[in-house]
Amino acid sequence: GAVVSQHPSRVICKSGTSVKIECRSLDFQATTMFWYRQFPKKSLMLMATSNEGSKATYEQGVEKDKFLINHASLTLSTLTVTSAHPEDSSFYICSARSDRDAYSNQPQHFGDGTRLSIL
Amino acid sequence: GDSVTQMEGPVTLSEEAFLTINCTYTATGYPSLFWYVQYPGEGLQLLLKATKADDKGSNKGFEATYRKETTSFHLEKGSVQVSDSAVYFCALSVNTGGFKTIFGAGTRLFVKA
Repeated sequence: GAVVSQHPSRVICKSGTSVKIECRSLDFQATTMFWYRQFPKKSLMLMATSNEGSKATYEQGVEKDKFLINHASLTLSTLTVTSAHPEDSSFYICSARSDRDAYSNQPQHFGDGTRLSIL
Repeated sequence: GDSVTQMEGPVTLSEEAFLTINCTYTATGYPSLFWYVQYPGEGLQLLLKATKADDKGSNKGFEATYRKETTSFHLEKGSVQVSDSAVYFCALSVNTGGFKTIFGAGTRLFVKA
């Protein structure tokens, strides 16, 4: 159980385009979803936390107009990188936690990540 | 603030060697502690967890004990395999007005045949 599906796994696009990444919880309802960015050989940097039906909370230094997060349902969150540039190239990973787990300090469940390459 | 410190890698071992990856943490309150593993090109998978002091988490031959007195959660395995080659992340989860997971920098493990 507790499967998180992230799509696409890899995307290559031209500078200036917008890219949408989807994160779905397949067998549980994800009250909270997290979006991370990982640079090569580095740890995960939390970008934002989103709760279903409300606006995302962005970490300091993350541009909310650049990285649009939508969490419209309990099973789907999307991250849209708007007007992407080469410096946005990175590995983006989503993670989800159920309502039950949110109050019991249980682990998050991760998607397999999306490798974004902007040419 | 809350943080996780783990030993720098890469760690290179021969197959069947003993593995230790050190992890210490700083946290207010009572965090849960986790080890996650990331295989090349993939997301993170939970390897094991411990939710209170003296708990031992174990999975696939790996184990770690939640030591409150030393604020540590070292990962160990008695005999590593080539397939264990991956990046290992120590993490803690604590309630700061909503639970947040804080990750260590990751330790890359290479196991040679």
